[in-house]
Amino acid sequence: KAGVTQTPRYLIKTRGQQVTLSCSPISGHRSVSWYQQTPGQGLQFLFEYFSETQRNKGNFPGRFSGRQFSNSRSEMNVSTLELGDSALYLCASSAAPGQGAGANVLTFGAGSRLTVL
Amino acid sequence: KQEVTQIPAALSVPEGENLVLNCSFTDSAIYNLQWFRQDPGKGLTSLLLIQSSQREQTSGRLNASLDKSSGRSTLYIAASQPGDSATYLCAVRWMGGANSKLTFGKGITLSVRP
Repeated sequence: KAGVTQTPRYLIKTRGQQVTLSCSPISGHRSVSWYQQTPGQGLQFLFEYFSETQRNKGNFPGRFSGRQFSNSRSEMNVSTLELGDSALYLCASSAAPGQGAGANVLTFGAGSRLTVL
Repeated sequence: KQEVTQIPAALSVPEGENLVLNCSFTDSAIYNLQWFRQDPGKGLTSLLLIQSSQREQTSGRLNASLDKSSGRSTLYIAASQPGDSATYLCAVRWMGGANSKLTFGKGITLSVRP
């Protein structure tokens, strides 16, 4: 059973550019959540999608956006990149949060490491 | 404010030692708590998930306990090995179920010396 796949794994952008990151969840998982990880702030929640609907959003500016497609694949976009956006962006999938222990277990991808110059 | 705290930030132990990693949270109305392991430069691997109604979960040499009244969870690692060296994070989802976000602690970086 394939795991959570994130692409690209590494990317370098310059300030002001925009970036799109992709996440393919485990087959059958309908929930996808995104996190930003930095040495200073640790892991911070960005947003969570279930069946193409955003269920929750973290405290990030509107430059950060996401969406989920009918096949449960998800993308996140960051516009007008700033130096502080350099981070490891992690995606996780689960069967269906809030519906029993097994369905709540998160499986993470390896992450997309973004460097903003 | 709902927060998750993990202290100390780093820990070094000799191989074979039994050890306990602590996680504290500010609001006892949790939905579940999950422990993860992260190797350098990698994503997170789920270790154990404890539902609000449970007191502990076990997997191999790992045992996680939950005490909601005191706002604490512990991850017990028996007979530690160098391969256990990693960062261990706990994450809490509070009541609100599917509509509540997951909040992570900053992790404890464990080094097991051969």
